[in-house]
Amino acid sequence: GAVVSQHPSRVICKSGTSVKIECRSLDFQATTMFWYRQFPKQSLMLMATSNEGSKATYEQGVEKDKFLINHASLTLSTLTVTSAHPEDSSFYICSARPGGGTEAFFGQGTRLTVV
Amino acid sequence: QKEVEQDPGPLSVPEGAIVSLNCTYSNSAFQYFMWYRQYSRKGPELLMYTYSSGNKEDGRFTAQVDKSSKYISLFIRDSQPSDSATYLCAMMVNQGGKLIFGQGTELSVKP
Repeated sequence: GAVVSQHPSRVICKSGTSVKIECRSLDFQATTMFWYRQFPKQSLMLMATSNEGSKATYEQGVEKDKFLINHASLTLSTLTVTSAHPEDSSFYICSARPGGGTEAFFGQGTRLTVV
Repeated sequence: QKEVEQDPGPLSVPEGAIVSLNCTYSNSAFQYFMWYRQYSRKGPELLMYTYSSGNKEDGRFTAQVDKSSKYISLFIRDSQPSDSATYLCAMMVNQGGKLIFGQGTELSVKP
């Protein structure tokens, strides 16, 4: 199957700093990428959908100025958590979908801890 | 009411048992139904994908969709300890649309 690489897998940062998470589709072109957040023992909550070359569409309640998403190429999307606070600590997962496809392939996730 | 409801478990079964996992949903527009498996601290991986109603079988896994009841199921036959994971149902309205996930059911298969 198609491979989506997410980096870093784990990051610890100080409160007030920004953190960037990368999501790459390694063997296909992803016209659409999705970013999710998952709390322990809870489901994946969609944060935003991004299409290559256009602005991301954020779900209700997600602060677009805090969670900056860039989808500059067909193989790379980034999520930047700006001015992180302890309540932003969570598991962030990206997924990528090839153009015209139904299946979305998931990255391995990033465990963010803000101290 | 959540769009997709799934019993979070945990569910514990002995090795070799048949496992039944279920989700209900409220949006009758959903047409694409998926089951994902997620190991601890990892991203989900797609197990089964079904379009509209019906059954689909892949090895020890069978997915069923009953759109009239807004109910989907995943059956695992001859369960193995390696099947221990969280199983998430997901569904979407259109091809290329956004996936809506259930809460996930934590499954433990004991040797």
